[in-house]
Amino acid sequence: TQLLEQSPQFLSIQEGENLTVYCNSSSVFSSLQWYRQEPGEGPVLLVTVVTGGEVKKLKRLTFQFGDARKDSSLHITAAQPGDTGLYLCAGDFYNTDKLIFGTGTRLQVFP
Amino acid sequence: DADVTQTPRNRITKTGKRIMLECSQTKGHDRMYWYRQDPGLGLQLIYYSFDVKDINKGEISDGYSVSRQAQAKFSLSLESAIPNQTALYFCATSRGVETTDTQYFGPGTRLTVL
Repeated sequence: TQLLEQSPQFLSIQEGENLTVYCNSSSVFSSLQWYRQEPGEGPVLLVTVVTGGEVKKLKRLTFQFGDARKDSSLHITAAQPGDTGLYLCAGDFYNTDKLIFGTGTRLQVFP
Repeated sequence: DADVTQTPRNRITKTGKRIMLECSQTKGHDRMYWYRQDPGLGLQLIYYSFDVKDINKGEISDGYSVSRQAQAKFSLSLESAIPNQTALYFCATSRGVETTDTQYFGPGTRLTVL
């Protein structure tokens, strides 16, 4: 069974702090996506990473794909209340036609 | 208007009842998916369809069935609902060219089985 473990499960911080969320697997991904889900809504894609070692930036969010393609991280600089939500990673493993979603990290940013 | 819509948005039912959740999309995508979300478990794939004639089981298909009535419509049925099927259900679509294609999610249906 292919599993994606995310850590931490919950994160509660003050506005302006930095944070990192991790997504790990024992299997190799062919690609990985990060989604954000706000209460009462479906997940929305933030980024897709494909190449081992790849780094992508989206404003204050930095996404990294591990060299071995088994892990990824999401770093948020100077978090804002608008960053509050559930962050999900989703991996596409070789020889499958579907995404496997991680367990999620619930982020709360207080003003 | 939303590209992916789900009805109903909320449903409370009793054990043993048959329930149908509906999903419609205006994105013209071939691929459609049904997921279930439980606290601490992320999203689990129930069924997915790559086109009208291609339907596949996901990780947790037991107790569920689906129907792809048209490219734009994909319904999920619980033939005899049980309390542990209480969850948030999401429909999603994707273009279907590659697995890295973005999945576009509906707003979800919150189902409670008493």
